[in-house]
Amino acid sequence: IAGITQAPTSQILAAGRRMTLRCTQDMRHNAMYWYRQDLGLGLRLIHYSNTAGTTGKGEVPDGYSVSRANTDDFPLTLASAVPSQTSVYFCASSDGSKNIQYFGAGTRLSVL
Amino acid sequence: QKEVEQNSGPLSVPEGAIASLNCTYSDRGSQSFFWYRQYSGKSPELIMSIYSNGDKEDGRFTAQLNKASQYVSLLIRDSQPSDSATYLCAVRSNFGNEKLTFGTGTRLTIIP
Repeated sequence: IAGITQAPTSQILAAGRRMTLRCTQDMRHNAMYWYRQDLGLGLRLIHYSNTAGTTGKGEVPDGYSVSRANTDDFPLTLASAVPSQTSVYFCASSDGSKNIQYFGAGTRLSVL
Repeated sequence: QKEVEQNSGPLSVPEGAIASLNCTYSDRGSQSFFWYRQYSGKSPELIMSIYSNGDKEDGRFTAQLNKASQYVSLLIRDSQPSDSATYLCAVRSNFGNEKLTFGTGTRLTIIP
């Protein structure tokens, strides 16, 4: 089934540890995004990539990094996790024609 | 002022009635408008997109856009308990920029 796959589904992480959230899409979409969703704050854009080889900062990029080596994969890395990064993380991709974004199932991350 | 504003709710509507969800945005250059539905613990899924002034109907859903008033709404006719969810309004501002700005969402409860 075509779509976006995120891994892991959930993770409990000790503060200070490094963590990479994985995102893979098989729809050949050029653009991909990482959001975090927190209660009362909605979806906030962390980083995005308009096409393979390029990335950009969103609204809340501090503490996160991304790479886009190919069209399908867009991993999000927390170099040294802090408790304020406890959140639900969604990866999304868009088709570029109508700018509709499709979301993965999300990763629930708890940093203790 | 937030770029995209929604009433957080909760909005309670009797089954079979019309649910009306509203969204205002601040950027007059906004071009594309989307409504996503998000069930608790799940990822957002697109239910409507609208790009020009007026109404757009899809089954029980009608999106209404008024660019002069910077206002977009979603009407759900014959509301069903399965419509109970959080509804997210999203806006894309600039041509060539596929980033979306999301509102914080309105929680809708359909009362049987």
